[in-house]
Amino acid sequence: EAGVVQSPRYKIIEKKQPVAFWCNPISGHNTLYWYLQNLGQGPELLIRYENEEAVDDSQLPKDRFSAERLKGVDSTLKIQPAELGDSAVYLCASSLPSGVDTQYFGPGTRLTVL
Amino acid sequence: GENVEQHPSTLSVQEGDSAVIKCTYSDSASNYFPWYKQELGKGPQLIIDIRSNVGEKKDQRIAVTLNKTAKHFSLHITETQPEDSAVYFCAASILGSTLTFGKGTMLLVSP
Repeated sequence: EAGVVQSPRYKIIEKKQPVAFWCNPISGHNTLYWYLQNLGQGPELLIRYENEEAVDDSQLPKDRFSAERLKGVDSTLKIQPAELGDSAVYLCASSLPSGVDTQYFGPGTRLTVL
Repeated sequence: GENVEQHPSTLSVQEGDSAVIKCTYSDSASNYFPWYKQELGKGPQLIIDIRSNVGEKKDQRIAVTLNKTAKHFSLHITETQPEDSAVYFCAASILGSTLTFGKGTMLLVSP
């Protein structure tokens, strides 16, 4: 079974530039998560989707971050404009419907903002 | 909201020794406690989890114990091997809700 796929794996951009990350969850997983992981820290939730609906986006900085999950499968996380402090690893995870909480993580996208 | 404290932040053991990582949580309503292993350049991978209706769960060399009264849970790894070296994260949630992660423990197993 294929795992969670993320791309790109690495991204280096100049500050104030836009950037987008893509995630393809495990087939059949209708719950999708985007996490931010700073160096030496645990993952912190940015947004959680149940199918197409964002059910928890309280930690998403909405002035510069946006996310979408069209058709309830793939998802894209965007930052515009990027700031130096956005340098981190962005992780995507997926799980079966709420109540079966095992989350499976992708390899992450390491973003460096110069 | 939930707060998860994890310690130690680093742990060095000799191959064959046991390793114990401890976590405490703040929300007494939490009932799901997974442990993840993260190797360099990879995403976290679930290694074991426990739900609040049990006090202990084992899977080969790995075990997790839960004390709901004290609001703490622990990961036990026996007969450690060099390939166990990684960062380990505990997490807690109310089933169906958002996971809150600890800050991680870097485990180093020396041959």
